[in-house]
Amino acid sequence: EPEVTQTPSHQVTQMGQEVILRCVPISNHLYFYWYRQILGQKVEFLVSFYNNEISEKSEIFDDQFSVERPDGSNFTLKIRSTKLEDSAMYFCASSQGSTNEKLFFGSGTQLSVL
Amino acid sequence: SQQGEEDPQALSIQEGENATMNCSYKTSINNLQWYRQNSGRGLVHLILIRSNEREKHSGRLRVTLDTSKKSSSLLITASRAADTASYFCATDAGWAGGGADGLTFGKGTHLIIQP
Repeated sequence: EPEVTQTPSHQVTQMGQEVILRCVPISNHLYFYWYRQILGQKVEFLVSFYNNEISEKSEIFDDQFSVERPDGSNFTLKIRSTKLEDSAMYFCASSQGSTNEKLFFGSGTQLSVL
Repeated sequence: SQQGEEDPQALSIQEGENATMNCSYKTSINNLQWYRQNSGRGLVHLILIRSNEREKHSGRLRVTLDTSKKSSSLLITASRAADTASYFCATDAGWAGGGADGLTFGKGTHLIIQP
């Protein structure tokens, strides 16, 4: 069964460093997303991406965040200058036909900012 | 406002029993979805119900939606040990709900099925 793949599974970084989280969405999906889950808290929406541009973003997704689809398969989330409060599990997701419907999630990247 | 609040926060039942989880939300929605998350894993989509639907079934799952009360319930019948997981409702408010901010998840119900 097709699945969303995320790498790395764990990332440890120093505060102020840049990190890039990588995702390979399901190949015939058109909509791509990043969500995050801080330990013990709700899953929070960051951004959605369609047709090579951001379609929605939340207040969390400030100028420190960016997304890119550099080729036909990868979808990346970059945090330019990490803060302690960026520590969370970051989930990539994709969906096929409609935005915000029936999302397929990856297993996540646990980001720890020290 | 807090969208997508589930209750109970935790539920422990015996294998074979039915499990019911509830979700309340604040704004108008396009649809409501239920997801399952096993510990340390990503979320798995279970079922979607649209705002003009009242009930939906999928295998052992039954979802109801009451838009007048802004609430939904997820029923898992004949529970199995493998159903042990956290269950989240997620709402898509879309422009009907006053904005477009992806899916809004609740804190989830942690379901434990005792063998």
